[in-house]
Amino acid sequence: DIVMTQSPDSLAVSLGERATINCKSSQSVLYSSNNKNYLAWYQQKPGQPPKLLIYWASTRESGVPDRFSGSGSGTDFTLTISSLQAEDVAVYYCQQYYSTARVTFGPGTKVDIK
Amino acid sequence: QVQLVQSGAEVKKPGASVKVSCKASGYTFTGYYMHWVRQAPGQGLEWMGRINPNSGGTNYAQKFQGRVTMTRDTSISTAYMELSRLRSDDTAVYYCARDRVEYSSSRILDYWGQGTLVTVSS
Repeated sequence: DIVMTQSPDSLAVSLGERATINCKSSQSVLYSSNNKNYLAWYQQKPGQPPKLLIYWASTRESGVPDRFSGSGSGTDFTLTISSLQAEDVAVYYCQQYYSTARVTFGPGTKVDIK
Repeated sequence: QVQLVQSGAEVKKPGASVKVSCKASGYTFTGYYMHWVRQAPGQGLEWMGRINPNSGGTNYAQKFQGRVTMTRDTSISTAYMELSRLRSDDTAVYYCARDRVEYSSSRILDYWGQGTLVTVSS
Protein backbone atom coordinates (compact mmCIF):
# COMPACT_ATOMS: atom_id res chain seq x y z
CA ASP A 1 0.00 0.00 0.00
CA ILE A 2 1.00 3.59 -0.61
CA VAL A 3 1.07 5.32 2.78
CA MET A 4 0.15 8.99 2.91
CA THR A 5 1.38 11.31 5.65
CA GLN A 6 0.44 14.93 6.30
CA SER A 7 1.98 17.77 8.24
CA PRO A 8 1.22 19.52 10.42
CA ASP A 9 -1.56 17.66 12.25
CA SER A 10 -3.22 21.02 12.85
CA LEU A 11 -2.55 24.68 12.32
CA ALA A 12 -4.11 27.99 13.28
CA VAL A 13 -3.85 30.90 10.89
CA SER A 14 -5.10 34.47 11.12
CA LEU A 15 -7.86 35.55 8.77
CA GLY A 16 -6.39 36.71 5.48
CA GLU A 17 -3.09 34.93 6.06
CA ARG A 18 -1.64 31.96 4.17
CA ALA A 19 -2.16 28.37 5.25
CA THR A 20 0.13 25.63 3.96
CA ILE A 21 -0.46 21.89 4.32
CA ASN A 22 2.04 19.24 3.30
CA CYS A 23 1.40 15.73 2.08
CA LYS A 24 3.95 13.01 1.42
CA SER A 25 3.47 9.62 -0.22
CA SER A 26 5.58 6.55 0.56
CA GLN A 27 6.24 6.07 -3.14
CA SER A 28 5.93 8.25 -6.19
CA VAL A 29 2.40 8.87 -7.49
CA LEU A 30 3.70 10.37 -10.74
CA TYR A 31 2.69 8.18 -13.67
CA SER A 32 5.46 8.50 -16.22
CA SER A 33 3.37 7.64 -19.28
CA ASN A 34 1.14 10.71 -18.92
CA ASN A 35 3.27 12.82 -16.55
CA LYS A 36 0.35 13.19 -14.13
CA ASN A 37 0.46 13.09 -10.36
CA TYR A 38 -2.37 10.93 -9.01
CA LEU A 39 -3.02 13.14 -5.99
CA ALA A 40 -6.20 14.86 -4.82
CA TRP A 41 -7.17 17.14 -1.95
CA TYR A 42 -10.48 17.16 -0.07
CA GLN A 43 -11.99 19.53 2.48
CA GLN A 44 -14.26 18.22 5.22
CA LYS A 45 -16.25 20.51 7.47
CA PRO A 46 -17.79 19.21 10.72
CA GLY A 47 -20.82 17.02 10.12
CA GLN A 48 -20.40 17.12 6.35
CA PRO A 49 -19.00 14.71 3.77
CA PRO A 50 -15.66 15.51 2.15
CA LYS A 51 -15.60 17.91 -0.78
CA LEU A 52 -13.22 17.56 -3.72
CA LEU A 53 -10.96 20.61 -4.03
CA ILE A 54 -8.07 19.62 -6.29
CA TYR A 55 -7.06 16.64 -8.42
CA TRP A 56 -4.04 15.80 -10.59
CA ALA A 57 -2.17 17.59 -7.76
CA SER A 58 -2.94 21.07 -9.08
CA THR A 59 -6.23 21.12 -11.04
CA ARG A 60 -8.91 22.98 -9.14
CA GLU A 61 -12.39 21.43 -9.21
CA SER A 62 -15.09 23.58 -10.75
CA GLY A 63 -16.47 26.11 -8.27
CA VAL A 64 -13.54 25.94 -5.87
CA PRO A 65 -12.25 29.43 -5.00
CA ASP A 66 -8.90 30.31 -6.52
CA ARG A 67 -7.38 30.96 -3.10
CA PHE A 68 -6.96 27.16 -2.99
CA SER A 69 -3.99 25.85 -4.94
CA GLY A 70 -2.08 22.61 -5.11
CA SER A 71 1.52 21.95 -6.06
CA GLY A 72 4.20 19.30 -5.93
CA SER A 73 5.24 16.18 -7.79
CA GLY A 74 6.41 12.65 -7.17
CA THR A 75 6.15 12.15 -3.42
CA ASP A 76 5.82 15.67 -1.98
CA PHE A 77 2.76 17.85 -2.31
CA THR A 78 1.35 21.06 -0.86
CA LEU A 79 -2.10 22.56 -0.50
CA THR A 80 -2.06 26.33 -0.06
CA ILE A 81 -4.89 28.57 1.04
CA SER A 82 -3.59 31.98 0.01
CA SER A 83 -5.86 34.11 2.19
CA LEU A 84 -7.70 32.17 4.87
CA GLN A 85 -11.42 32.84 5.20
CA ALA A 86 -13.65 31.88 8.11
CA GLU A 87 -15.45 29.33 5.94
CA ASP A 88 -12.15 27.49 5.31
CA VAL A 89 -12.08 26.08 8.85
CA ALA A 90 -12.08 22.35 8.16
CA VAL A 91 -10.00 19.19 8.01
CA TYR A 92 -8.07 18.73 4.79
CA TYR A 93 -7.14 15.30 3.41
CA CYS A 94 -4.81 14.32 0.61
CA GLN A 95 -5.56 11.15 -1.36
CA GLN A 96 -3.49 9.09 -3.76
CA TYR A 97 -5.28 7.33 -6.59
CA TYR A 98 -2.16 6.00 -8.33
CA SER A 99 -2.81 2.51 -7.03
CA THR A 100 -5.71 0.99 -8.96
CA ALA A 101 -6.33 -1.57 -6.25
CA ARG A 102 -6.11 0.64 -3.19
CA VAL A 103 -7.01 4.27 -2.78
CA THR A 104 -5.47 5.74 0.38
CA PHE A 105 -5.93 8.99 2.25
CA GLY A 106 -3.68 10.98 4.49
CA PRO A 107 -4.61 11.31 8.18
CA GLY A 108 -5.88 14.85 7.76
CA THR A 109 -4.82 18.35 8.80
CA LYS A 110 -7.14 20.50 10.87
CA VAL A 111 -7.18 24.21 10.00
CA ASP A 112 -8.47 26.75 12.53
CA ILE A 113 -8.55 30.51 12.90
CA LYS A 114 -5.90 32.04 15.15
CA GLN B 1 -27.93 18.49 -10.12
CA VAL B 2 -26.07 15.41 -8.97
CA GLN B 3 -27.35 14.00 -5.67
CA LEU B 4 -26.48 10.91 -3.69
CA VAL B 5 -28.96 10.18 -0.92
CA GLN B 6 -28.10 7.46 1.56
CA SER B 7 -30.25 5.39 3.88
CA GLY B 8 -30.64 6.22 7.55
CA ALA B 9 -28.58 5.36 10.59
CA GLU B 10 -28.36 1.76 11.75
CA VAL B 11 -27.61 0.07 15.06
CA LYS B 12 -26.39 -3.50 14.83
CA LYS B 13 -25.13 -6.17 17.17
CA PRO B 14 -21.70 -7.73 16.73
CA GLY B 15 -21.79 -10.53 14.19
CA ALA B 16 -24.74 -9.08 12.30
CA SER B 17 -24.77 -7.58 8.80
CA VAL B 18 -25.73 -4.12 7.57
CA LYS B 19 -26.78 -2.97 4.11
CA VAL B 20 -26.50 0.72 3.23
CA SER B 21 -28.15 2.18 0.15
CA CYS B 22 -27.16 5.15 -1.99
CA LYS B 23 -29.74 6.54 -4.42
CA ALA B 24 -28.30 8.58 -7.26
CA SER B 25 -30.04 11.28 -9.27
CA GLY B 26 -29.13 14.05 -11.67
CA TYR B 27 -26.85 11.99 -13.91
CA THR B 28 -26.65 8.68 -15.80
CA PHE B 29 -26.24 6.16 -12.99
CA THR B 30 -24.62 3.50 -15.16
CA GLY B 31 -22.00 5.88 -16.48
CA TYR B 32 -19.99 6.46 -13.32
CA TYR B 33 -18.30 4.10 -10.89
CA MET B 34 -19.48 4.33 -7.30
CA HIS B 35 -17.04 4.09 -4.42
CA TRP B 36 -17.59 3.46 -0.73
CA VAL B 37 -15.51 5.19 1.96
CA ARG B 38 -15.89 4.96 5.72
CA GLN B 39 -14.87 7.19 8.60
CA ALA B 40 -14.67 5.99 12.19
CA PRO B 41 -15.61 8.56 14.86
CA GLY B 42 -12.97 11.30 14.97
CA GLN B 43 -10.80 9.42 12.49
CA GLY B 44 -9.73 9.71 8.85
CA LEU B 45 -11.10 8.33 5.61
CA GLU B 46 -10.81 4.68 4.56
CA TRP B 47 -11.61 3.46 1.06
CA MET B 48 -13.57 0.22 0.98
CA GLY B 49 -14.03 -0.48 -2.70
CA ARG B 50 -15.93 0.41 -5.85
CA ILE B 51 -18.59 -0.89 -8.17
CA ASN B 52 -19.11 -0.38 -11.88
CA PRO B 53 -22.89 0.24 -12.02
CA ASN B 54 -22.93 -0.64 -15.71
CA SER B 55 -21.46 -4.14 -15.43
CA GLY B 56 -21.80 -4.79 -11.71
CA GLY B 57 -18.08 -5.50 -11.51
CA THR B 58 -16.46 -4.77 -8.16
CA ASN B 59 -13.06 -4.19 -6.59
CA TYR B 60 -12.68 -4.36 -2.83
CA ALA B 61 -9.90 -3.21 -0.53
CA GLN B 62 -8.04 -6.26 0.73
CA LYS B 63 -8.97 -5.40 4.31
CA PHE B 64 -12.65 -5.96 3.55
CA GLN B 65 -12.40 -8.92 1.17
CA GLY B 66 -14.82 -11.63 2.24
CA ARG B 67 -16.90 -9.29 4.40
CA VAL B 68 -18.11 -6.62 1.98
CA THR B 69 -20.46 -6.93 -0.98
CA MET B 70 -21.26 -4.03 -3.29
CA THR B 71 -24.26 -4.33 -5.59
CA ARG B 72 -26.53 -2.07 -7.59
CA ASP B 73 -30.05 -1.89 -8.94
CA THR B 74 -29.97 0.07 -12.18
CA SER B 75 -33.78 0.24 -12.38
CA ILE B 76 -33.82 2.56 -9.37
CA SER B 77 -30.33 4.09 -9.73
CA THR B 78 -29.24 2.78 -6.36
CA ALA B 79 -25.99 1.31 -5.13
CA TYR B 80 -25.67 -0.86 -2.04
CA MET B 81 -22.88 -1.76 0.34
CA GLU B 82 -23.34 -4.72 2.65
CA LEU B 83 -20.86 -5.46 5.42
CA SER B 84 -21.11 -8.73 7.32
CA ARG B 85 -19.74 -10.15 10.56
CA LEU B 86 -19.79 -6.69 12.10
CA ARG B 87 -17.41 -5.83 14.94
CA SER B 88 -17.35 -2.84 17.25
CA ASP B 89 -14.54 -1.28 15.24
CA ASP B 90 -16.84 -1.18 12.21
CA THR B 91 -18.69 1.66 13.94
CA ALA B 92 -18.33 4.49 11.45
CA VAL B 93 -20.01 6.81 9.01
CA TYR B 94 -20.21 5.11 5.62
CA TYR B 95 -20.19 7.28 2.50
CA CYS B 96 -20.91 6.54 -1.12
CA ALA B 97 -18.99 8.74 -3.55
CA ARG B 98 -19.18 9.04 -7.30
CA ASP B 99 -16.16 8.71 -9.53
CA ARG B 100 -15.44 11.88 -11.44
CA VAL B 101 -14.80 10.36 -14.85
CA GLU B 102 -17.52 8.83 -17.00
CA TYR B 103 -17.06 5.19 -18.02
CA SER B 104 -13.74 4.99 -16.21
CA SER B 105 -12.49 4.56 -12.70
CA SER B 106 -10.30 7.56 -12.11
CA ARG B 107 -10.72 7.10 -8.36
CA ILE B 108 -11.23 10.88 -8.01
CA LEU B 109 -14.38 11.29 -5.92
CA ASP B 110 -16.43 14.33 -6.94
CA TYR B 111 -19.85 13.87 -5.32
CA TRP B 112 -20.49 12.31 -1.94
CA GLY B 113 -23.57 11.09 -0.14
CA GLN B 114 -24.49 12.59 3.21
CA GLY B 115 -23.18 9.55 5.08
CA THR B 116 -24.82 6.77 7.07
CA LEU B 117 -23.82 6.16 10.67
CA VAL B 118 -23.55 2.49 11.50
CA THR B 119 -23.16 1.73 15.19
CA VAL B 120 -22.10 -1.75 16.25
CA SER B 121 -22.84 -2.40 19.89
CA SER B 122 -24.00 -5.25 22.05
